[in-house]
Amino acid sequence: LAKTTQPISMDSYEGQEVNITCSHNNIATNDYITWYQQFPSQGPRFIIQGYKTKVTNEVASLFIPADRKSSTLSLPRVSLSDTAVYYCLVGDRKAAGNKLTFGGGTRVLVKP
Amino acid sequence: DTEVTQTPKHLVMGMTNKKSLKCEQHMGHRAMYWYKQKAKKPPELMFVYSYEKLSINESVPSRFSPECPNSSLLNLHLHALQPEDSALYLCASSQRDRTQETQYFGPGTRLLVL
Repeated sequence: LAKTTQPISMDSYEGQEVNITCSHNNIATNDYITWYQQFPSQGPRFIIQGYKTKVTNEVASLFIPADRKSSTLSLPRVSLSDTAVYYCLVGDRKAAGNKLTFGGGTRVLVKP
Repeated sequence: DTEVTQTPKHLVMGMTNKKSLKCEQHMGHRAMYWYKQKAKKPPELMFVYSYEKLSINESVPSRFSPECPNSSLLNLHLHALQPEDSALYLCASSQRDRTQETQYFGPGTRLLVL
């Protein structure tokens, strides 16, 4: 399984863009990159998933360079409610019972 | 309905007790998961059920016993737990579609073993 490395924590201010980079040097050909958000005492919530280039949804954007050895989650114009832990996961989605391994996560603190 | 429900929300048990955690989803997902999460740590995978059969057991001690009675339900039976087993236990489900596989997590059961 590809291991992921993320910054432990990041601070930001309301209205700013937050970019979290995840390193996954050993990513395999079949692996997809997925980001989850977790608030205290809640289960993680899916944010976005991608394989290569750029993916955007109503919540975030995911940038993946051609070598796929890293990825960057971009949260536009964060608010206080975006304070959470963000996890980058890499896994093969093709098999049923997808085995995903959570990395350490990045604690994002949004300040007023 | 994209909800995974877990009961109970909180559970306190002694080391000699037997208890069960329950998880339910009605999204038609055929893969279900148990994770354990200690404070300020990432979730750790414990078990995976695929099409109601146990497909992955991450070397979990036998005092944790999973059960998948049907495609919508997942139980985790607990017996003779240790205080270090106190944690948030998360259930998740997933079903591949043509574009992506997403794991949907429940809110978790916070377990305290005395």
